[in-house]
Amino acid sequence: EVQLVESGGGLVQPGGSLRLSCAASGFTFSNYWMSWVRQAPGKGLEWLANIKTDGSAKNYVDSVKGRFTISRDNAKNSVYLQMNSLRVEDTAVYFCAKPGDSSGLHCWGQGTLVTVSS
Amino acid sequence: QSVLTQPPSVSAAPGQKVTISCSGSSSNIGKKYVSWYQQVPGTAPKLLIYDNDKRPSGIPDRFSGSKSGTSATLGITGLQTGDEADYFCGVWDNSLSIYVFGTGTKVTVL
Repeated sequence: EVQLVESGGGLVQPGGSLRLSCAASGFTFSNYWMSWVRQAPGKGLEWLANIKTDGSAKNYVDSVKGRFTISRDNAKNSVYLQMNSLRVEDTAVYFCAKPGDSSGLHCWGQGTLVTVSS
Repeated sequence: QSVLTQPPSVSAAPGQKVTISCSGSSSNIGKKYVSWYQQVPGTAPKLLIYDNDKRPSGIPDRFSGSKSGTSATLGITGLQTGDEADYFCGVWDNSLSIYVFGTGTKVTVL
């Protein structure tokens, strides 16, 4: 069974940093691009970033470019999101997601809550 | 601000049908496969439709997807109370090189 488990969320002050982790199991992790998606309270879904199978290519949405960094460790079957210079508007539930063999994000983690507040 | 536009809400009685539209552009829906996601508040999104019209295993055939030009549509027939949720379309945008989601539609079963 495919499983994604996020961790690392919590309360952080504006300007602070946080590193999210997503542990994957049940599939050959190194064969898939991986994504991070977030959802602010009461808002829609916002895709943040993805990373290629070997980490050699990454894409970011403008709202996090230069502040967030996606990375992966295929030996640990994990993908990470390093978040720096956090803002109040970064408060959200953060999900990692796995694509299928074609289009779409087929599997999602349960999410981890990040709250940016003083 | 999302590049994919959906109606904020749709509603119908149990057993009826609803359709949800997703309007995009030539750089996203016009060129790439569309997916649809269902999200019950407080839970993670679930993939309902991928490759415009394919259903993952376990998704009932009451859910269907279609695409024409720069728009896509999700249909739900035989509406059930358990279908009350938020629905989002999603697609890769070739110009922005990011994945984009629709604005979301809340389905209410009357």
